[in-house]
Amino acid sequence: QVLLQESGPGLVKPSETLSLTCSISGASISSDYWNWIRQPPGKGLEWIGYVHYTGTTTYNPSLKSQVTISLEPSKNQLSLKLNSVTAADTAVYYCARAPRITMLGSWFDPWGQGIQVIVSS
Amino acid sequence: DIQMTQSPSSLSASVGDRVTITCRASQSIGTYLNWYQQKPGKAPKVLIYAASTLQSGVPSRFSGSGSGTDFTLTISSLQPEDFATYYCQQSYKIPPITFGQGTRLEIK
Repeated sequence: QVLLQESGPGLVKPSETLSLTCSISGASISSDYWNWIRQPPGKGLEWIGYVHYTGTTTYNPSLKSQVTISLEPSKNQLSLKLNSVTAADTAVYYCARAPRITMLGSWFDPWGQGIQVIVSS
Repeated sequence: DIQMTQSPSSLSASVGDRVTITCRASQSIGTYLNWYQQKPGKAPKVLIYAASTLQSGVPSRFSGSGSGTDFTLTISSLQPEDFATYYCQQSYKIPPITFGQGTRLEIK
């Protein structure tokens, strides 16, 4: 069974960098595509981006200037960094695996439980 | 970006009802359409992928159909545990991957 678990600070100050980690068990990060998705309070889902085990990344153009997603293979983890955050970045952040060999047509399964991040001074 | 529009945005129904949720893409996406169920405080869970393939472990009362721009998720006989929010998602044109705005299914 593949399990994902997000971790990181629940409160970040405006203009600072949000840093989250996703720990993976039951699968190797050295395969598949690994994604970050977020959900502002009471709103829908927004895809942030993905990293492939080769290190290739693709980001949502609306966030591209703020986002870095990377892998830490030795820890079987992936990370998300979002810089210069504002209140609009307040959301639940999820990591999720895309189980196809290509992102074309892929879906997300499984998901982590999510971590609430609030941006406030 | 491909815009995904779901209808209705909210829906009230009773246990045992047959329910259909529609998702329309702003351009053709073939069958690269997936459906998720999300309950309050929980992560989304995939129900249907590739427009009509039932994810392992998902009850057979859920079904999906469509291709091109128009898709439907049908629940043949609503159960109490089905009251949740449902999202469609396309991964035909990346970036970005996009989701519908969600359909909230409530108990009548």
